[in-house]
Amino acid sequence: EAQVTQNPRYLITVTGKKLTVTCSQNMNHEYMSWYRQDPGLGLRQIYYSMNVEVTDKGDVPEGYKVSRKEKRNFPLILESPSPNQTSLYFCASRRQGRVVGNQPQHFGDGTRLSIL
Amino acid sequence: QQQVKQSPQSLIVQKGGIPIINCAYENTAFDYFPWYQQFPGKGPALLIAIRPDVSEKKEGRFTISFNKSAKQFSLHIMDSQPGDSATYFCAASKAAGNKLTFGGGTRVLVKP
Repeated sequence: EAQVTQNPRYLITVTGKKLTVTCSQNMNHEYMSWYRQDPGLGLRQIYYSMNVEVTDKGDVPEGYKVSRKEKRNFPLILESPSPNQTSLYFCASRRQGRVVGNQPQHFGDGTRLSIL
Repeated sequence: QQQVKQSPQSLIVQKGGIPIINCAYENTAFDYFPWYQQFPGKGPALLIAIRPDVSEKKEGRFTISFNKSAKQFSLHIMDSQPGDSATYFCAASKAAGNKLTFGGGTRVLVKP
């Protein structure tokens, strides 16, 4: 079954304690991306990756890091989490087509982070 | 500032009604406009998408209307069913671009 898998699904932690949210896809997609979802703001892109070892900032990258060492994995790292990073996070992937419109994004089921 | 503005934030209709969700964008370089549907506890899933060379697109009971001059587009859910209750997001991007800009979302509740 084609899927994007995120772990953990839920996490409560404290300010300053480093955490990593993993994302893995089994569709051999080149493009992967992280979003955060907040009420009234929709989904905002944090970082994206066009392929292995190629990453770039989205609209809200501050406080986050990513890496893309393997094609299937794209972890999101919060080195020193703060309460304003409490949110619902989604990882997504798609084929890196010539025209983005022809390549729908496949989303994971989300990770709810609470930072106290 | 939000480049894609979506309204209303929430909507309640009776079964069989036609919920309408509106979106407006600012960037004239956008030329791909998808709608995503999200059920509780799940990630968004692509519902339907339109490009600005057409004014309307239908897929089943879902219809997108597009007004290029007004920089607006909307989603209509015909003969809505309780199973359509979900949060709907409009989005926009540039062709061959790498960023998808989302609207704020609309929570739709269809009452039996």
